[in-house]
Formats: sequence, C-alpha cells, structure tokens
Amino acid sequence: EAQVTQNPRYLITVTGKKLTVTCSQNMNHEYMSWYRQDPGLGLRQIYYSMNVEVTDKGDVPEGYKVSRKEKRNFPLILESPSPNQTSLYFCASSLSQGATEAFFGQGTRLTVV
Amino acid sequence: QKEVEQNSGPLSVPEGAIASLNCTYSDRGSQSFFWYRQYSGKSPELIMSIYSNGDKEDGRFTAQLNKASQYVSLLIRDSQPSDSATYLCAVKPGNTPLVFGKGTRLSVIA
Repeated sequence: EAQVTQNPRYLITVTGKKLTVTCSQNMNHEYMSWYRQDPGLGLRQIYYSMNVEVTDKGDVPEGYKVSRKEKRNFPLILESPSPNQTSLYFCASSLSQGATEAFFGQGTRLTVV
Repeated sequence: QKEVEQNSGPLSVPEGAIASLNCTYSDRGSQSFFWYRQYSGKSPELIMSIYSNGDKEDGRFTAQLNKASQYVSLLIRDSQPSDSATYLCAVKPGNTPLVFGKGTRLSVIA
C-alpha cells in the first residue's frame, strides 16, 4: 500500500530537549516536504526536498532542520524545541516538485511545555 | 508574497443541497490548482485538481477555474453529512512549492 508514515503520532516534550520526527514513503517519490498546521494560520511549509541531498527552506524554517540522506526518508529535527513549535506536523510526498503533494502522512501532534 | 484566500466559514448547507466553496489567488502565473479535504484531526486528502479554465467534474464534485479572475471554486452536489470537513484550496505558482489557503469549514446538516 502506497503511504507516507510519520512517527511518533503524538509527542509531549519539554523546552530545549532535542527531538526528531521521522517520515518515510514507499513510493520512490523524489519530492518530500514538511508542513505545520496551526489554527487560523493553515498549512505552512517548513522545508522541502527535491531529491536526495537537496533540501530548501519553506515559509517557516526557523527552529527546524531536515536531512535527506535516502530517498525514502525525510526526518524533521527540532534541536531546541520551544513552546511556539507546539503544532500539528505533516509530512508529504509527490513524484516530483512539478506534481502536487498527493500523499500526506497521518500527522504528528507535538506539544512543547 | 503569494497568497491564497478562502472564506473560513463555517459554511452550513442542508443535506442534498449544493455546497459552493470559493478561493482566490494572487499569483497570476499560477498554473495548477487543487482542492483537498481534511477531516478534523486527520491529514489532507487530495480530491480535485484543475489546470485549465472551465469546469472539471468528478462524481459529485466540480472544480471551476477562471484564470482571468484568479478564482477557483469547488461545487459539491447532493451534499452529505460525511462531506462535513475543512476544504483547502492550494495553488502551485509554477515549479515552486504549493501554497495553501487557510481552508473553509463545511457543515452539512442532516
């Protein structure tokens, strides 16, 4: 089954404690991206990757890092989480950047206290 | 700044009626337009895409695009309570990342 898998689904952490949210897709997609979704602000792109070792900033990259060492995986790293990063996070993938984000992961609800 | 505007709603329609969801965008060079449906607490699901002016129908859904007016809409015929969700309009301005609207919440009343 074609899917984008995120882990964990829910996470409560404390300010400053480094964390990683994993994202994996099994469709051999080139393009992957991370979004955060907040009430009243909609979906905002954090980072995207057009292929292995190629990443770029989206609209709200501050406080986040990503890496793309393998085509299937695109982890999101919060080196020093802060309460304003409490949000619902989605990973998405598509065949290429020219296509739309056809597949979204299940989402990760992160709370930073 | 590329923008996609939607009325946040809620838009309430009775069961069986036509729901009309609207979206405007700022980048005149945009070529690709999409509608996603998102149930509360779930991930967005792509339901329609449209690339040229006019209407595109898929089952109970019709997407309408007017590039001159920078306007895209989604019509849902014979609305069902299961259509109650937030509908996200998304626009792809050329070969750049997707830009999402903030979504319109639709409530179909049985």
